[in-house]
Amino acid sequence: EPEVTQTPSHQVTQMGQEVILRCVPISNHLYFYWYRQILGQKVEFLVSFYNNEISEKSEIFDDQFSVERPDGSNFTLKIRSTKLEDSAMYFCAGQGSLTDTQYFGPGTRLTVL
Amino acid sequence: KQEVTQIPAALSVPEGENLVLNCSFTDSAIYNLQWFRQDPGKGLTSLLLIQSSQREQTSGRLNASLDKSSGRSTLYIAASQPGDSATYLCAVWMDSSYKLIFGSGTRLLVRP
Repeated sequence: EPEVTQTPSHQVTQMGQEVILRCVPISNHLYFYWYRQILGQKVEFLVSFYNNEISEKSEIFDDQFSVERPDGSNFTLKIRSTKLEDSAMYFCAGQGSLTDTQYFGPGTRLTVL
Repeated sequence: KQEVTQIPAALSVPEGENLVLNCSFTDSAIYNLQWFRQDPGKGLTSLLLIQSSQREQTSGRLNASLDKSSGRSTLYIAASQPGDSATYLCAVWMDSSYKLIFGSGTRLLVRP
């Protein structure tokens, strides 16, 4: 059964550094998302992406964040200058249509020191 | 602003019990509702998706119901097993947006 993959599984970085989190969605999916979960807190929406454009973004998704789908397969989340409070588990998700189930990847644990 | 609440926050039951997890939401203008399972340190596994026009969905020992007008959903787990131990999350998809809004989850422990 096809699945969403994410790399790396764990990323440790220094405050102020740039990180890129990578996701390979299921091949026939058209809608893509990033969510994050700070330890002990709810899963929070960051951004949705369709047809190479951002459909919606949350207040968290400020100018330090960007997404792209450079080659039609990978879907990336970049944080330009990481802060301590960016430490969280980041999940990528995708769906084939807006009425479908969203399928989530296993997550990347980002630790900012 | 949509708020999703799950009660109880934690539940411990002996193996074999039938149990009900609750999810409530404040804005009934939802498109659908999903139940997920999350194991510690892992990703989210989708269990059931209920469209706003549906009343319930079943998959194996799981049955989810939706009462959109009252802002409630329940996840019924029959004959619970230790392997069911995990955190169960509900999430709603709003009519006017492109995102899931999650509850804080119910942490379930099924004791052998």
